[in-house]
Amino acid sequence: KNQVEQSPQSLIILEGKNCTLQCNYTVSPFSNLRWYKQDTGRGPVSLTIMTFSENTKSNGRYTATLDADTKQSSLHITASQLSDSASYICVVLSGGSYIPTFGRGTSLIVHP
Amino acid sequence: DADVTQTPRNRITKTGKRIMLECSQTKGHDRMYWYRQDPGLGLRLIYYSFDVKDINKGEISDGYSVSRQAQAKFSLSLESAIPNQTALYFCATSDPFSGSYNEQFFGPGTRLTVL
Repeated sequence: KNQVEQSPQSLIILEGKNCTLQCNYTVSPFSNLRWYKQDTGRGPVSLTIMTFSENTKSNGRYTATLDADTKQSSLHITASQLSDSASYICVVLSGGSYIPTFGRGTSLIVHP
Repeated sequence: DADVTQTPRNRITKTGKRIMLECSQTKGHDRMYWYRQDPGLGLRLIYYSFDVKDINKGEISDGYSVSRQAQAKFSLSLESAIPNQTALYFCATSDPFSGSYNEQFFGPGTRLTVL
């Protein structure tokens, strides 16, 4: 069964600090991995997508990495801001399927 | 205007009532999805539709039904609501042939409370 596990479940950091969120998956065959940001009370919005051949991709202060061999991805947030407080969801799509597998998300709280 | 809209945004109902949640999109996508989100459980797929004549069950379809009235409209019904269907419901759309790697675009959500 395809699974996506995220850690930590929740994280509290001070404004300006960096943090890294983890995603491990057992989806096979792999097609792509996407990180979504979900603000409280809103729908998820895509931050970045990683395909099999990509190791690192940045979107502003967000940097995603992918290790397809170990089936792990991380999302690094640099110089956190209060607006980064949200849930971050890792989603993996398997080849040949159009139904993604969602992780349960990491809840990030940034304190001033 | 938002590309994916959901109505109502909030709904409180009683056990046994029939409820319909509606989703409309202006993105022109063929594929539409209904998810529910519960604290600590993440998003779980209820039903999905790849075109107007296609309806498929997701992992938690029991107690729910859907209708795809047009390419732009996908409705979710709870025939007889029960308290454990209290959750946040999201509609999403996607186009796997647009070069976006099947990115899903979500609506703003409907918060449903069943008393």
